[in-house]
Amino acid sequence: GQSLEQPSEVTAVEGAIVQINCTYQTSGFYGLSWYQQHDGGAPTFLSYNGLDGLEETGRFSSFLSRSDSYGYLLLQELQMKDSASYFCAVDFQKLVFGTGTRLLVSP
Amino acid sequence: EAQVTQNPRYLITVTGKKLTVTCSQNMNHEYMSWYRQDPGLGLRQIYYSMNVEVTDKGDVPEGYKVSRKEKRNFPLILESPSPNQTSLYFCASSWTGESYNSPLHFGNGTRLTVT
Repeated sequence: GQSLEQPSEVTAVEGAIVQINCTYQTSGFYGLSWYQQHDGGAPTFLSYNGLDGLEETGRFSSFLSRSDSYGYLLLQELQMKDSASYFCAVDFQKLVFGTGTRLLVSP
Repeated sequence: EAQVTQNPRYLITVTGKKLTVTCSQNMNHEYMSWYRQDPGLGLRQIYYSMNVEVTDKGDVPEGYKVSRKEKRNFPLILESPSPNQTSLYFCASSWTGESYNSPLHFGNGTRLTVT
């Protein structure tokens, strides 16, 4: 089966840079997605990597390396509103989600 | 406004009493899916539908039913709810099932408690 591992929690301060890793034991998927979920809210799409390399969207960047079975989400210039859970997901015709990383941003 | 609408937002019920959680999307999406979210387990797929009258099991389908008679609606049915189905449920839709061209849009969730 597919298995994605993420750290359960990451803490950082406002203005800092944080990297949330996603490692997986699977192959043959289309790409790696990232979703953000605030407490009490619905997951929302952040980014997608279909090819190896870095994708940048404003303060957020996402990276994929299929050869290393590894991806990450990079958040720059952290703001308090970035406190949320972040999920990676691989695409096998249907999305399989990781267990999520809770990011806590402090002043 | 493009959205996925789930109802109800909160539901408390008793073991064995059949219930339905509705899901509707107004984006003409072909793909719809149900997930449950439990602490430490992330989002696990219950059922999905690639198009009208086409449904398939996800990773945790036991105890659930779905139907897709119309493109916009994808209700989740619990014929005989049990306490282990207490969870937060999300409906989601996208143009297709492949995220390389179609991210998922999620509803606001239904928090179900079965006593």
